[in-house]
Amino acid sequence: AQSVTQLDSHVSVSEGTPVLLRCNYSSSYSPSLFWYVQHPNKGLQLLLKYTSAATLVKGINGFEAEFKKSETSFHLTKPSAHMSDAAEYFCVVSRMDSSYKLIFGSGTRLLVRP
Amino acid sequence: DGGITQSPKYLFRKEGQNVTLSCEQNLNHDAMYWYRQDPGQGLRLIYYSQIVNDFQKGDIAEGYSVSREKKESFPLTVTSAQKNPTAFYLCASSPSRQALNYGYTFGSGTRLTVV
Repeated sequence: AQSVTQLDSHVSVSEGTPVLLRCNYSSSYSPSLFWYVQHPNKGLQLLLKYTSAATLVKGINGFEAEFKKSETSFHLTKPSAHMSDAAEYFCVVSRMDSSYKLIFGSGTRLLVRP
Repeated sequence: DGGITQSPKYLFRKEGQNVTLSCEQNLNHDAMYWYRQDPGQGLRLIYYSQIVNDFQKGDIAEGYSVSREKKESFPLTVTSAQKNPTAFYLCASSPSRQALNYGYTFGSGTRLTVV
């Protein structure tokens, strides 16, 4: 069965320093993987997605993620945090069975200190 | 611009009252979904619909009802049977349930509060 685990519920960084949000997945199939961002009282916005093409995926706002099959990981990174990056981030895996669902992680709240 | 519109943004409900949350999309997507989000928790699936006039229960359907009479619209009714309805509700759509490579497009959400 597919599942996704976000390893940190909160991450705090200083503005201008790198961001690392960690995500591990479990899947019997070759999954599709996504990162979404949610600002307070807003809907979720797609940051990037992996769909079995290049293992290093670039997304919006300078974010990128690397699919590592051997480590079953899909960590989200950004070289330099900006105050506007403060939000909640969700790692998502597709469930490629008859239910065709997306499975959402529990979220990581990113705090950016001035 | 194409997208999903949820209304209202904020909604207040009295005890024992039914309320309906609106979700409209102009993306020509076949599949639509309703999720509930509580503080510090992920998203939990309430109902989904793959095609007009058909919908399926998700993980937490008790106390909720939906209809899908038009492709563009997927309203959610929170009934008096839902004992703890205060939450943030998100509507989403995708080209089809099978098009998981696409991901979902989300609306901006409705915050429901019981008063």
